[in-house]
Amino acid sequence: AQSVAQPEDQVNVAEGNPLTVKCTYSVSGNPYLFWYVQYPNRGLQFLLKYITGDNLVKGSYGFEAEFNKSQTSFHLKKPSALVSDSALYFCAVSATDSWGKLQFGAGTQVVVTP
Amino acid sequence: NAGVTQTPKFRILKIGQSMTLQCAQDMNHNYMYWYRQDPGMGLKLIYYSVGAGITDKGEVPNGYNVSRSTTEDFPLRLELAAPSQTSVYFCASRTGTPGGELFFGEGSRLTVL
Repeated sequence: AQSVAQPEDQVNVAEGNPLTVKCTYSVSGNPYLFWYVQYPNRGLQFLLKYITGDNLVKGSYGFEAEFNKSQTSFHLKKPSALVSDSALYFCAVSATDSWGKLQFGAGTQVVVTP
Repeated sequence: NAGVTQTPKFRILKIGQSMTLQCAQDMNHNYMYWYRQDPGMGLKLIYYSVGAGITDKGEVPNGYNVSRSTTEDFPLRLELAAPSQTSVYFCASRTGTPGGELFFGEGSRLTVL
């Protein structure tokens, strides 16, 4: 079975400060890891993913994430947050042989204040 | 290129009624999924399909049915609606490439009263 934990329901950060959203996972075998963002009343949008290779993954809108196998973590980061980054962020994991079925975390609400 | 299109966007049902949520994609994706989103719970997989004529249950399939007669369409049927099915439903699709990301529709908000 696979699972994802996002330990923070909400993250508050001032504009211009670094943003980190935490994610840990559990999966049998090698994982595929994803981050998605959801704006109010919209569908989820893909931000970035880790499949294999370099542990530091860069994605859309200046976001990046670091895969840490020993800590089973995949934290999302942005060096300088914008007010427009305020949204709901989901971490997701799938096993490599699971037909792409994603297990999502509960989500973390990011609030960036001016 | 519309991507993944879901209809209707909003619907109110009475207990015991049935309805179908429509999902269509124009990206020629073989893999399609239905998720439901409840506050604070993330997304839960209801059903998925890896190609026309092939469907399988996800984590929370009870009370739902699906069919996949074409590559483009993946409707979700709710039989005998219950208040527990009040949720936002998302359809998604992806290519068959390992590790391919999901493309989501805008969602269908269903309320059962």
